[in-house]
Amino acid sequence: QSVLTQPPSASGTPGQRVTISCSGSSSNIGSDAVSWYQQLPGTAPKLLIHSNDQRPSGVPDRFSGSKSGTSASLAISGLQSEDDADYYCAAWDDSLNGHFVFGSGTKVTVL
Amino acid sequence: QVQLQESGPRLVKPSETLSLTCTVSGGSFTSSTFYWGWTRQPPGKGLEWIATIRNSGTTYYNPSLKSRVTISIDTSKDQFSLKLSSVTAADTAVYYCAREFSGRHIHHMDVWGKGTTVTVSS
Repeated sequence: QSVLTQPPSASGTPGQRVTISCSGSSSNIGSDAVSWYQQLPGTAPKLLIHSNDQRPSGVPDRFSGSKSGTSASLAISGLQSEDDADYYCAAWDDSLNGHFVFGSGTKVTVL
Repeated sequence: QVQLQESGPRLVKPSETLSLTCTVSGGSFTSSTFYWGWTRQPPGKGLEWIATIRNSGTTYYNPSLKSRVTISIDTSKDQFSLKLSSVTAADTAVYYCAREFSGRHIHHMDVWGKGTTVTVSS
């Protein structure tokens, strides 16, 4: 069972806005920055958002991240067919000598 | 441009030890800004972080796997390795190595290997 909780699925039609939530605790999201990863079928995860709201070079500005307290969210605006993928949130957890934790993952379907 | 490549046996027998190596090319291996780690993904399931190591040798382990996992680093070869002992079918997964950026209250995996599928079966 994942330490960070995400909804299992989300969907939208092309052009719509989709938001994915990520709920944690004071030892992870509450004290460390959140990152988000996109995983297309059969491929390795790709860093999508880091430091709560920063996009690496090459990531479209349709993707945005935010954090408040012990929760975070990823928004995809102007949904496109190539956004059909799995999305994971993650953060460092300060408990038990420190360890990285991933969210349970959200499958985004473009209808 | 940094690249990571996993290598190791694709098939491991139950109760034996899984051993994988990640080779880093393109620089940054000796930078103190970056850590190095392993994550796995069982078939049809989500991502599970396994372990992380710093160039200094400091290690961090998933509490649920800690008793069976060893991560090590060889800076002379730009490689780091994973050993998982007493494997069972539940350890069948795609294993990814990744570079981890580490700063004050900031940790994320910014470069990933393509992954290698390891099957535990007799």
